[in-house]
Order: sequence, then structure tokens, then C-alpha cells
Amino acid sequence: AQSVSQHNHHVILSEAASLELGCNYSYGGTVNLFWYVQYPGQHLQLLLKYFSGDPLVKGIKGFEAEFIKSKFSFNLRKPSVQWSDTAEYFCAVYGGSQGNLIFGKGTKLSVKP
Amino acid sequence: SAVISQKPSRDICQRGTSLTIQCQVDSQVTMMFWYRQQPGQSLTLIATANQGSEATYESGFVIDKFPISRPNLTFSTLTVSNMSPEDSSIYLCSVGQPANTEAFFGQGTRLTVV
Repeated sequence: AQSVSQHNHHVILSEAASLELGCNYSYGGTVNLFWYVQYPGQHLQLLLKYFSGDPLVKGIKGFEAEFIKSKFSFNLRKPSVQWSDTAEYFCAVYGGSQGNLIFGKGTKLSVKP
Repeated sequence: SAVISQKPSRDICQRGTSLTIQCQVDSQVTMMFWYRQQPGQSLTLIATANQGSEATYESGFVIDKFPISRPNLTFSTLTVSNMSPEDSSIYLCSVGQPANTEAFFGQGTRLTVV
């Protein structure tokens, strides 16, 4: 079965620092990959998604992710984080038996002003 | 896109009682998903709810504990029955788009069982 691993449980950065959050999925073939963000007290929102084509995907709020098929990875990046990026970030892939998303455990990002 | 209203947003319940969570979507959808997010854990699918048929449960989840209703294409409920402190979690409703292009989520229900 498909699974998703997120390597960092909690990341603490200062404003303007660069961010990279790791995500690996378990097997290849055609994959639909997502990053979702959950701001404190809010619902999950889509940051970006990859289905095919250019492996460098740009999302909202300056985030991007790179799909590297040989590494089964889909890491999230942002060159310069802001305090408002404080949130929990989830990597996900379609692969469940019911056509559902399979999520990583999430990475909590805390940005110090 | 789809807008999902989920309620209650949070509740504190006594063990042994039941709580019903409601999920309302602003458009008709075929499949609705119920997830659980336990503290420090990932989102885990509980079941898939299709209108007009029994819900399909994932391994480890049973209908007696998590009965689901899906009376029409815009609404679903999940009941957490005979609650224990281990049921303390965030419960989320989700709907998907055709061809798996995106999934949308309600704001979640934070349940604490005491």
C-alpha cells in the first residue's frame, strides 16, 4: 500500500530563513502528489499539487515543490519564510483503496518574528 | 471548488456517550470521506460515504462504533459511539474532485472525551 513519510516533526525558523520540508512516498508509477497547509484554527488548504509535466511546481504564497521520481520525493520549499507561514504542513498522495488521500504525519512549522 | 461546513467545531464529551458530527457541502458530490487525526498523528481514513449505499470502512473501523449517514448528495453525518478517551481526536470531512485533482476539507471537529 502507498504510504507517505515526512521527515521533520517540528521545524523552527526565524523570519527570512529558507525552508525545505521533506516528503517521500512509498512506490512509483503514476502519482498525484499534494501539499496541504493548516493554519491555526483553520481548515486544510491546498498549497500545491503535482500530476505530471514540469517536476517543479509552484503554489500559493511563494511555496514550491520539486518532484524527483528517482528519489520518490516531493519536497516543499520556500526561499524566505514569514511569521504568517506558521502552520502545520501535510504531504499527501492519492493511493487509498477508496480513492482517498494518504497523508504524512505532518510537519509543524514555527516561524519566529 | 467546494465549500464544506462541519459542525460542531469542538466538543467535550463524557465517556460512554455519543456525538454526531455533521458535514454540509455547497455542491452535490458523489463521494464523501471521513478522516480522523489523532494527536501527533497523520490523517487516517475512517470510511467513505456514498449516497444510497452503505459506507465503506477502512480496516480498524467498524460501523457500530462509527455509524455514517449519507441521506443526499450534499450532506453526511459521522457518529462516534460509546466514546472513550482514546476517541479524542480531530475528525474531518472531505470531498474529492473528479480525476482526483483535489480534495477539500471541512474545518474539522476537535473532540475531547473525558
